Amino acid sequence: NAGVTQTPKFQVLKTGQSMTLQCAQDMNHNSMYWYRQDPGMGLRLIYYSASEGTTDKGEVPNGYNVSRLNKREFSLRLESAAPSQTSVYFCASSGGVWEELFFGSGTQLSVL
Amino acid sequence: DQQVKQNSPSLSVQEGRISILNCDYTNSMFDYFLWYKKYPAEGPTFLISISSIKDKNEDGRFTVFLNKSAKHLSLHIVPSQPGDSAVYFCAAIPGGGGGADGLTFGKGTHLIIQP
Repeated sequence: NAGVTQTPKFQVLKTGQSMTLQCAQDMNHNSMYWYRQDPGMGLRLIYYSASEGTTDKGEVPNGYNVSRLNKREFSLRLESAAPSQTSVYFCASSGGVWEELFFGSGTQLSVL
Repeated sequence: DQQVKQNSPSLSVQEGRISILNCDYTNSMFDYFLWYKKYPAEGPTFLISISSIKDKNEDGRFTVFLNKSAKHLSLHIVPSQPGDSAVYFCAAIPGGGGGADGLTFGKGTHLIIQP
């Protein structure tokens, strides 16, 4: 049972480059989330999707876009990467919005 | 302003002893609290939760206590085991879900269990 799968696990970008982080869940969950974790900052919500077809901003949405492609998949796009976006990114899903979250293993992103 | 505070970045405890991790919150609208555990290079995993209508919830070696008047909760691990070494995040949800503010995490406490 895979749970929440994120790709890639590691990525290095140059400032200004774009990329998309992929996330898929196989638990038939309605809600999906993107968080970033920075040293000493805990987990901060970037965007979330309460259900298929809806997306909403979280605490730190600037510089990111998301797409809820279908019930299983929720992608996060950096259009023009900046060094401040160097972080570990976690995707999560839950049965209902703000119920117990199940996290993927993370993507470590470095922007040079 | 940080609404969920974990004031101890790290905590070292001897194996077999009790580990107590603390969490304070400022938003009186929070009514559901969770603890997540995170190992290096893995995502956080849910550990235990408590609703504001309770003051204690137990699950095996893990107990969470909630003091609403003090806006304080704590996670007790008894006895502590080497596999408990991890970062523990406290999180809170306001009544009604709360939208974008729905789940607020603290900064985490790194628990180290010494043999």
